[in-house]
Amino acid sequence: DAGVIQSPRHEVTEMGQEVTLRCKPISGHNSLFWYRQTMMRGLELLIYFNNNVPIDDSGMPEDRFSAKMPNASFSTLKIQPSEPRDSAVYFCASSLAPGEAFFGQGTRLTVV
Amino acid sequence: AQSVTQPDIHITVSEGASLELRCNYSYGATPYLFWYVQSPGQGLQLLLKYFSGDTLVQGIKGFEAEFKRSQSSFNLRKPSVHWSDAAEYFCAVCSGGYQKVTFGTGTKLQVIP
Repeated sequence: DAGVIQSPRHEVTEMGQEVTLRCKPISGHNSLFWYRQTMMRGLELLIYFNNNVPIDDSGMPEDRFSAKMPNASFSTLKIQPSEPRDSAVYFCASSLAPGEAFFGQGTRLTVV
Repeated sequence: AQSVTQPDIHITVSEGASLELRCNYSYGATPYLFWYVQSPGQGLQLLLKYFSGDTLVQGIKGFEAEFKRSQSSFNLRKPSVHWSDAAEYFCAVCSGGYQKVTFGTGTKLQVIP
């Protein structure tokens, strides 16, 4: 298996633009997580899905952030409109067993 | 609510020396505990896990960790550190129910020759 695949690896966008991050989880995994990592706040769980259903989105910072998982092999995290404070590395992870998450390589987002 | 504390932000050890990274957790029931490692520019990789049973667990790359319920700790150890072990290490706790994982703030390990 290729592991968790995230795209793009790097994204630079202007403030106010819409940004969409994409994730393909490992086949057969039933949970998917979106994390954000910054120097100031560390690793934050934004949202996680179980069997394509959002279970906990309490970590989503505000209404500008939304996530979808239309099927077991694809998820998106959208920021609209983007702001400079959204600059971070965004990780997608998937798992089958509790806590055993497999992480993608991340998307480094820069909002200027 | 579950939480994890890693008291050491940064640790420096000499190559070949032993290593212990500290982790304390807060959780109402018996937790699922994990250590992850993150190399620069990479995602996190699972090193080892504790669910139940033997309190000393072995992981990849020669790491081990010991669960001590009385101290609410799950410290990571390695008898002899290699330069390639330089990375950031995260302790994590999971509720087990819906697989929500909470990570600590991380400990950055520097290895000097």
